[in-house]
Amino acid sequence: AQSVTQLGSHVSVSEGALVLLRCNYSSSVPPYLFWYVQYPNQGLQLLLKYTTGATLVKGINGFEAEFKKSETSFHLTKPSAHMSDAAEYFCAVSVSTGRRALTFGSGTRLQVQP
Amino acid sequence: EPEVTQTPSHQVTQMGQEVILRCVPISNHLYFYWYRQILGQKVEFLVSFYNNEISEKSEIFDDQFSVERPDGSNFTLKIRSTKLEDSAMYFCASNGGGNTGELFFGEGSRLTVL
Repeated sequence: AQSVTQLGSHVSVSEGALVLLRCNYSSSVPPYLFWYVQYPNQGLQLLLKYTTGATLVKGINGFEAEFKKSETSFHLTKPSAHMSDAAEYFCAVSVSTGRRALTFGSGTRLQVQP
Repeated sequence: EPEVTQTPSHQVTQMGQEVILRCVPISNHLYFYWYRQILGQKVEFLVSFYNNEISEKSEIFDDQFSVERPDGSNFTLKIRSTKLEDSAMYFCASNGGGNTGELFFGEGSRLTVL
């Protein structure tokens, strides 16, 4: 079975600072990895995904993540935080496409201070 | 852009009552899911549905839950006799069955059980 661990339930950064949200996964087979964002009172929106190929993936709103198999990590970064980035971020893993469900991490709430 | 729609956005019910949450997945998608998020907690998988049958379910999805695709467009989650602990945000998602593994989520239905 697969699992996801997100280190830090709350992260606070200043506007313009680097954002780093950590995600480690556990999977017995090559995983598919995702980051979703949830703005207050809204649903889950896909930020970016890794399925195969290039290990550095770019997503929406200037976010990117790097799949590191040796570290079983898929950390999310953004060079310069914006106030509008304040939200809950969820890392998720799936071990196959189609039928199999995503397993989500516990989420990290990002606060951006002015 | 195609989207997953859910109704109602918020439902308040008395303990012991039956509740039906409705979802209209993206029209050409083949796989359908329900997830639950208790306030302040992680997003939890409930059930996946493909080819008119349940393909996977979690331990949360016990006998009080059921899913149905009554026609070509709707996908419903029924909670037979609600409990206080069923209060949560319920998310519907769909997947086209392609190679990406990405789930498209609705905005959610907030269920409050009194």
